[in-house]
This record gives sequence, C-alpha cells and structure tokens, in this order.
Amino acid sequence: EVQLVESGGGLVQPGRSMKLSCAASGFTFSNYGMAWVRQAPTKGLEWVATISYDGSSTYYRDSVKGRFTISRDNAKSTLYLQMNSLRSEDTATYYCTRGLQWCPWGQGVMVTVSS
Amino acid sequence: DIQMTQSPSSLPASLGDRVTITCRASQDIGNYLRWFQQKPGKSPRLMIYGATNLAAGVPSRFSGSRSGSDYSLTINSLESEDMAIYYCLQHNEYPPTFGGGTKLELK
Repeated sequence: EVQLVESGGGLVQPGRSMKLSCAASGFTFSNYGMAWVRQAPTKGLEWVATISYDGSSTYYRDSVKGRFTISRDNAKSTLYLQMNSLRSEDTATYYCTRGLQWCPWGQGVMVTVSS
Repeated sequence: DIQMTQSPSSLPASLGDRVTITCRASQDIGNYLRWFQQKPGKSPRLMIYGATNLAAGVPSRFSGSRSGSDYSLTINSLESEDMAIYYCLQHNEYPPTFGGGTKLELK
C-alpha cells in the first residue's frame, strides 16, 4: 500500500524554525517528485514547494522563498521541509503528496506559529 | 500566476441530485486539471486527473469535462458519502494553483 506519513509539527514561536518529515512507503520513492501543500485553518489548499525525483530541481511559492527548503533522502525514502523565520501566516496543516500524480496524500501535520 | 475561479462556493443539494462544480482558468492550462475531494478532518483525495479521467477507486457517478477554459466536475445521483469540499487544481505551470473550493452539503 502506498503511504505517506508526516511528522515534526507543533507549536513554534514566530521567527523560529521547524523541520517537517514525510516518510514514504509502498512505492519506489526515488522515482517520484514530491510536494508539500498546506491548508490554513478553515481555508483552502495552497501549494508550498516541489522537489524533483533526484532532488536536483526545487520550486517554491513566492511567500516561502528564502525561508523554506524542500529536500529529500532517497536512501531513507523521506521528504523534508525545513521552515525558517516562521510567521503567523505559516500556521497550517502541512501535507506531503507525490508530485505530478498529486496522490496519495499524507494525513497532514499541524504547524502553529504563535507566541 | 494562473487563477482558478471555482464556483459555486457552496452547493446545497439533495440525495439523488445531479450536481456540477466549475473551475475557470485565467490562462490556458490544457488538460492539466485535477479534482480533489476533502472530508472534514481528512486529507484530500484525488478524484479526476487530466480533466476527464477517473482516478483509481472513484465511483463512476463522478465525471470530469472541459469546455474551453471551463472545467467541470459532475456527480450523478448524489450520495451521502459525497458531501465534502471539492477543489480543482491546475498544474500546467508553476506555481500550481487551487480553486477556492466548493462545499457540497445536504439541502
């Protein structure tokens, strides 16, 4: 069964950092691009970042450029999102998904940025 | 950025109804359009890809269509399990953009 499991969320103060992980199983992780999508409380879906299958190409939405870094470890079948200089507007549930296919999605992890 | 204008934002309907949700793209996106279903507290589920193709495991009462820059998701004979929020997504170019969502609820 193809599965994605996010971890690493929680409460963080504005300006601080947090790193999310997404553990993949049930498919050959190194063959697929991957993406992070977020959803603020009671709001819609918003793409955050995408990484190519080999990590050589990355893409970000403008509001997170220079603050967030998407990366992957194909040996560990794990996707990451390093989030620095966090702002209150980054508060959201963060989902990982298989890029291009846009499925499946993980269960999501909540990130709350607040003092 | 490509804007995806989704309508309606709310859609009251009765069981057995046929309903249609539409997304209009601000630029050409070809058939790089997907539809997702999201139930409360759950992650999104892919329903339609390539504008018209049913994703694996999706009931055949769901269908997708395209007319120019308008993309539609139709549900025939609505069932209670279909009550959810539906989102469209264009992934023709970066940044990928979602529609604002349509909340399908019982009338």
